[in-house]
Amino acid sequence: DAKTTQPPSMDCAEGRAANLPCNHSTISGNEYVYWYRQIHSQGPQYIIHGLKNNETNEMASLIITEDRKSSTLILPHATLRDTAVYYCIVGPLSGSARQLTFGSGTQLTVLP
Amino acid sequence: ETGVTQTPRHLVMGMTNKKSLKCEQHLGHNAMYWYKQSAKKPLELMFVYNFKEQTENNSVPSRFSPECPNSSHLFLHLHTLQPEDSALYLCASSPGRDYTGELFFGEGSRLTVL
Repeated sequence: DAKTTQPPSMDCAEGRAANLPCNHSTISGNEYVYWYRQIHSQGPQYIIHGLKNNETNEMASLIITEDRKSSTLILPHATLRDTAVYYCIVGPLSGSARQLTFGSGTQLTVLP
Repeated sequence: ETGVTQTPRHLVMGMTNKKSLKCEQHLGHNAMYWYKQSAKKPLELMFVYNFKEQTENNSVPSRFSPECPNSSHLFLHLHTLQPEDSALYLCASSPGRDYTGELFFGEGSRLTVL
């Protein structure tokens, strides 16, 4: 069963912020929100994760709503190299890797 | 460079061949994983090893045989595969047992079965 819902595709202009939404209305209290991305024909790359507070690192920002039922990944200044499939995943910080289910993700295309 | 290296990057094999995929991680991690990614399908977890011991087998057919001689190396031995086994095979690692936080993936081995 899919635990997250993401739009299948999005476009973003180069240099603009890319805002990728994710719905996870059935998230449990101990589950984190993880974001990965996969550039074509490469392995997935971890981006960021969070529990309930907003998080920021050198790659992106993660905004989680107060009720934790949805989140947004923000790439502040998208470049052509950010074109990839972005996966939003919910799962525990510890437990079985089986609990991290990669869905279909969002294909982000950054346009010149 | 993720610290996880997979070889070969591309492999073509017949259904009667025997081949192996290799994964090596230089991160000091203790957990290693094999995933399969078929065309237009989500990633599927195949096997998990913690401290060299297999802790997950996600109902993978026996024609796929994993081996983990130490925490840094993971192999996937392939024999009598079917064309539907053609896929991108990804290796990943993480710090330790039952840690499902950040996974570090290799670039994958693209397998084509003729």
